[in-house]
Amino acid sequence: QKEVEQDPGPLSVPEGAIVSLNCTYSNSAFQYFMWYRQYSRKGPELLMYTYSSGNKEDGRFTAQVDKSSKYISLFIRDSQPSDSATYLCAMTSGYALNFGKGTSLLVTP
Amino acid sequence: GAVVSQHPSRVICKSGTSVKIECRSLDFQATTMFWYRQFPKQSLMLMATSNEGSKATYEQGVEKDKFLINHASLTLSTLTVTSAHPEDSSFYICSAPLLAGGNNEQFFGPGTRLTVL
Repeated sequence: QKEVEQDPGPLSVPEGAIVSLNCTYSNSAFQYFMWYRQYSRKGPELLMYTYSSGNKEDGRFTAQVDKSSKYISLFIRDSQPSDSATYLCAMTSGYALNFGKGTSLLVTP
Repeated sequence: GAVVSQHPSRVICKSGTSVKIECRSLDFQATTMFWYRQFPKQSLMLMATSNEGSKATYEQGVEKDKFLINHASLTLSTLTVTSAHPEDSSFYICSAPLLAGGNNEQFFGPGTRLTVL
């Protein structure tokens, strides 16, 4: 079993929809959680960083962490075609990040 | 967010040659940097941890003699792929944590696409 599980999709939604992206993990030592957005042939861009259970909001993005269930989510409100990308969850207990496989998202106009 | 640059962004080389990739933290110092490799439609796989002033730490299965890492300063780490072969063709990405001590945001470079003919 991989330490971080993420559905690769693809996920296709109409513009304006609410998008829900999720990851589960098995290592209870993970304490720090990140969501990255990666466009094709580009480096990952940090969207959200959180280290506590609960919700963290930044603009149209909300990161949710449930450490008891070992489950994290990223919600995107009012999705735009420019949000079309691969979204990677990542987590760590120290330095090195453990990544999910990434979910490919397509927002259609 | 913090900025991490990589150079070159793309390189094409012949089999058997060596290729050097630079990773720089532009507006912060990084005593630690990480090197990842990403194959098409796959996630990032950690190759090694680069430590300023000491030897790099390699992940299991990564040949340290093939992938030479030098953390020359607090803002520069280099990855040299020695005697490159077609199977080394991949997208190489570096990252650096914003603050020393770990457990904080990591910022990624734009990546280097290596193609070995």
